Amino acid sequence: DVKVTQSSRYLVKRTGEKVFLECVQDMDHENMFWYRQDPGLGLRLIYFSYDVKMKEKGDIPEGYSVSREKKERFSLILESASTNQTSMYLCASSPGPRNSPLHFGNGTRLTVT
Amino acid sequence: QKEVEQNSGPLSVPEGAIASLNCTYSDRGSQSFFWYRQYSGKSPELIMFIYSNGDKEDGRFTAQLNKASQYVSLLIRDSQPSDSATYLCAVSTGSGTASKLTFGTGTRLQVTL
Repeated sequence: DVKVTQSSRYLVKRTGEKVFLECVQDMDHENMFWYRQDPGLGLRLIYFSYDVKMKEKGDIPEGYSVSREKKERFSLILESASTNQTSMYLCASSPGPRNSPLHFGNGTRLTVT
Repeated sequence: QKEVEQNSGPLSVPEGAIASLNCTYSDRGSQSFFWYRQYSGKSPELIMFIYSNGDKEDGRFTAQLNKASQYVSLLIRDSQPSDSATYLCAVSTGSGTASKLTFGTGTRLQVTL
């Protein structure tokens, strides 16, 4: 079974803090993704990566950056957290083929106060 | 126009009935279609995927795809209370190596006793 592990289940940060969300997958998947999920807006793609050190912007990259130094690890960085970044953050991975389904981690509920 | 549209519900069906969940998408070049189930407070889990026009059955679940009408549906036969959840439709869009998925906002299904 694919396992996608997010480092924190709940996180509370203050406005202006730099925040790191970590994600690790154990199935040697090529692709990794960060989504955020908000009521009424659904899942929206922030960034994704199809290879080590490669990254591409998703639909809502503003205020975020990412890092993929190793194949199994994909980090989401909030450079200066703001209250509108309070959300559920979901990491996902998929194998190489373009039409592969995503496998999600358990999510990180981030609250920015 | 949203890229992937679903009726938010709730869709209420009695136990043992057939639940029919619908999804439309705007990108005619979309190639892969996925249904995820998400329980409250949990992350999405893959139920089914379909790539070709027609029906695909897996146990109590049937996915139906009509590319000409840009329409995909999920039927759940013999609905159980444990099927009560939000069902997310996802569509693979774009080009490149990564299977970037665009999600609908989900339909909440309630199976009543």
